[in-house]
Amino acid sequence: GNSVTQMEGPVTLSEEAFLTINCTYTATGYPSLFWYVQYPGEGLQLLLKATKADDKGSNKGFEATYRKETTSFHLEKGSVQVSDSAVYFCALTSQGGSEKLVFGKGTKLTVNP
Amino acid sequence: GAVVSQHPSWVICKSGTSVKIECRSLDFQATTMFWYRQFPKQSLMLMATSNEGSKATYEQGVEKDKFLINHASLTLSTLTVTSAHPEDSSFYICSAETGDLYGYTFGSGTRLTVV
Repeated sequence: GNSVTQMEGPVTLSEEAFLTINCTYTATGYPSLFWYVQYPGEGLQLLLKATKADDKGSNKGFEATYRKETTSFHLEKGSVQVSDSAVYFCALTSQGGSEKLVFGKGTKLTVNP
Repeated sequence: GAVVSQHPSWVICKSGTSVKIECRSLDFQATTMFWYRQFPKQSLMLMATSNEGSKATYEQGVEKDKFLINHASLTLSTLTVTSAHPEDSSFYICSAETGDLYGYTFGSGTRLTVV
């Protein structure tokens, strides 16, 4: 079945450091890939998405590229801020719609000033 | 953008009572909604898929008689935790498929504590 393997945390960085959170997936067909962010005590917010190979999703300085050859969708940000402290989830759906999201276990990021 | 409103944000109830959680799509119609449960420091576990006008589809291991899901309209799905027990205490999150570039949008979650 479909699955997402996500880099385990927690990850602690200093402000302005470079961030990478690894995510690899196993899926049949051509899944859509997502990164969601969860701030303390809140629900999930879509951070970025990519729906086909070589697509790059980007938002708020975060980027991730859909790499079919390595089945990966790593999240990167060049300079993190304290406000980026949150839990980040990689996820996929096997089809474009009405299909359930499969989540990775989440990576907690703490950014210190 | 697509917004899902989830209420209440937190609730405390006595063991043996029932609690209803509402999930509303505010500016779009949601044919399909999803209910998740999140344990502390863990990922989201899909409990069930709610389809407007039909019975919900429950994931393996989820008690359908305990977690009642109703999706009577295109903008409202409810999750009722019946005869709640302390082990039902958790963070419950709903999600709706938006059918556009947003993909899926999530409610802000409900923290349920059963005492």
